Amino acid sequence: QSALTQPASVSGSPGQSIAISCTGTSSDVGGYNYVSWYQQHPGKAPKLMIYEVSSRPSGVSNRFSGSKSGNTASLTISGLQAEDEADYYCSSYTNDITLDVVFGGGTKLTVL
Amino acid sequence: QVQLVQSGAEVKKPGASVKVSCKASGYTFTNNAIHWVRQAPGQRLEWMGWINVGNGNTKYSQKFQGRVTIARDTSANTAYVELSGLTFEDTAVYYCARRLVRHFDYWGQGTLVTDSS
Repeated sequence: QSALTQPASVSGSPGQSIAISCTGTSSDVGGYNYVSWYQQHPGKAPKLMIYEVSSRPSGVSNRFSGSKSGNTASLTISGLQAEDEADYYCSSYTNDITLDVVFGGGTKLTVL
Repeated sequence: QVQLVQSGAEVKKPGASVKVSCKASGYTFTNNAIHWVRQAPGQRLEWMGWINVGNGNTKYSQKFQGRVTIARDTSANTAYVELSGLTFEDTAVYYCARRLVRHFDYWGQGTLVTDSS
């Protein structure tokens, strides 16, 4: 199954900003504005943080923002807090007829 | 409030089938598709398939084609995923998720399926 590429881990100190990249192809990330980001704490279900590249659901802190350039999307978290430590997954719609959705491999965010 | 509540953990023998349910509440069940996503221990999220709850149409990942069935019971506001021919590689947490446009805004709590070997 094709997948989006994310860094395995990123880290930052409280108050700092970090960015997580998500690289796909023109069949998914680059071709559509349907990139979403999910936060997952250990043993918990994923939680939607960003949808349609840069939109934030109600209740999600404005410290979380999303963007896209070409085939790469990014999630930026500013003012890092301890509770931001989690796994983050990107996802995109894909026109691959064998799939409907493709996920990234996940990025472990450590708040130092 | 929207909730998706899944059935409990399952332990299955190799070769068996497992059926996981996902009961929806807090919205009109037929208005949104339900997708199934699984996550093996320490692994990425993996999309399995989805059902158009309104008309029952389904689409499955090629990886699971022939082994997976997704269904729904609109009278019970419940969706199901059934996976047959289980192997140790199917040990995972299985999630249902509600689709809104092209993202998943609500997820079930997850159901752990393990093999008994």
